[in-house]
Amino acid sequence: AQSVTQPDIHITVSEGASLELRCNYSYGATPYLFWYVQSPGQGLQLLLKYFSGDTLVQGIKGFEAEFKRSQSSFNLRKPSVHWSDAAEYFCAVGAGYDMRFGAGTRLTVKP
Amino acid sequence: DAGVTQSPTHLIKTRGQQVTLRCSPKSGHDTVSWYQQALGQGPQFIFQYYEEEERQRGNFPDRFSGHQFPNYSSELNVNALLLGDSALYLCASSRMDGNTGELFFGEGSRLTVL
Repeated sequence: AQSVTQPDIHITVSEGASLELRCNYSYGATPYLFWYVQSPGQGLQLLLKYFSGDTLVQGIKGFEAEFKRSQSSFNLRKPSVHWSDAAEYFCAVGAGYDMRFGAGTRLTVKP
Repeated sequence: DAGVTQSPTHLIKTRGQQVTLRCSPKSGHDTVSWYQQALGQGPQFIFQYYEEEERQRGNFPDRFSGHQFPNYSSELNVNALLLGDSALYLCASSRMDGNTGELFFGEGSRLTVL
């Protein structure tokens, strides 16, 4: 069965610094991979997705993620973090009803 | 283009009561999935509705039931509420014939059970 691990529960970065959020997955076939962001009290917004093709995918708000099959990873990156990026980030694998989410990484941005 | 809408946004119930949550999918979507998100955790799949039938179900007891209407909107019902049912309930819509599996989420209904 597929599963997702987000090793970091909480990350703090300074505004303007780079960011990398880790995601490792377990999936029997070529995975569909997603990153969602959730602001306090809000639903989930899709940042980016990977289905096939180029392993480096670009998303909204300046985020990107790289699919590495050999490492079963799909890490999220941003070169320069803004205070508005403070939120909870969820990695997910699968499709439709079969989508499984990680436990999330909370991002705090220091001024 | 309206996205996924859910109601109510917040509600408080007591143990043993019943609750109904509602969801209207994004325009053009025919499939609705429900998720439970406990505090500090990722969303957990409850069930999915398509063509007014429950198609898939996660590891949730029969106290959790649902319905889908001809206009694709959906309801989630929870009977005999327990304290542990306190959570954010998220509705997500998609197209069954979509080839991406992408889910579009509403902002959720926050349920507190006292």
